[in-house]
Amino acid sequence: EAGVTQFPSHSVIEKGQTVTLRCDPISGHDNLYWYRRVMGKEIKFLLHFVKESKQDESGMPNNRFLAERTGGTYSTLKVQPAELEDSGVYFCASSPNRREQYFGPGTRLTVT
Amino acid sequence: GEDVEQSLFLSVREGDSSVINCTYTDSSSTYLYWYKQEPGAGLQLLTYIFSNMDMKQDQRLTVLLNKKDKHLSLRIADTQTGDSAIYFCAPLRGSYNTDKLIFGTGTRLQVFP
Repeated sequence: EAGVTQFPSHSVIEKGQTVTLRCDPISGHDNLYWYRRVMGKEIKFLLHFVKESKQDESGMPNNRFLAERTGGTYSTLKVQPAELEDSGVYFCASSPNRREQYFGPGTRLTVT
Repeated sequence: GEDVEQSLFLSVREGDSSVINCTYTDSSSTYLYWYKQEPGAGLQLLTYIFSNMDMKQDQRLTVLLNKKDKHLSLRIADTQTGDSAIYFCAPLRGSYNTDKLIFGTGTRLQVFP
């Protein structure tokens, strides 16, 4: 069974540009989570989908971040416009039961 | 203070036991997890314990939970060089319709021959 996949693995963009990160969860997992780790800080929760519905987006830092999960399968996280402080590693996780969360390899975002 | 605290580094000799400690603040956490991150890789779920247990053993891994003191530990027996990685403690903070993992800073375990 394939694990959680994320694309791209690394993205370098300039301040003010737009970036879209993609996450493909494990097949059949209704729960999908986004987390991020910015430099020197802990890994922090961003939001939680159940199928296509946002259950909790309390961790989204501001309205420059938009997450979607159309059709309840893969998810995208768009940052528009990107700022320097958005640099970090963005992780996606999926879960069949809201207990075990299985993480992808992460997308490293560098904003210059 | 921080929600979840871990020491930053631990260095052990190959074959010895490693003990990684974690303290947390949210006493309502129902599940508490340990994740492992190897260089360049994602987070691998290692093991977890339910809050009504005080110990769980899984091969070389032993998790101890002291709920009164809000202290969680991970013991790795017969530590190998392949165990070198960053280990994250992550209690689950939940409500009726959602939940999230609260991560510590991670403990970097270095195993030397």
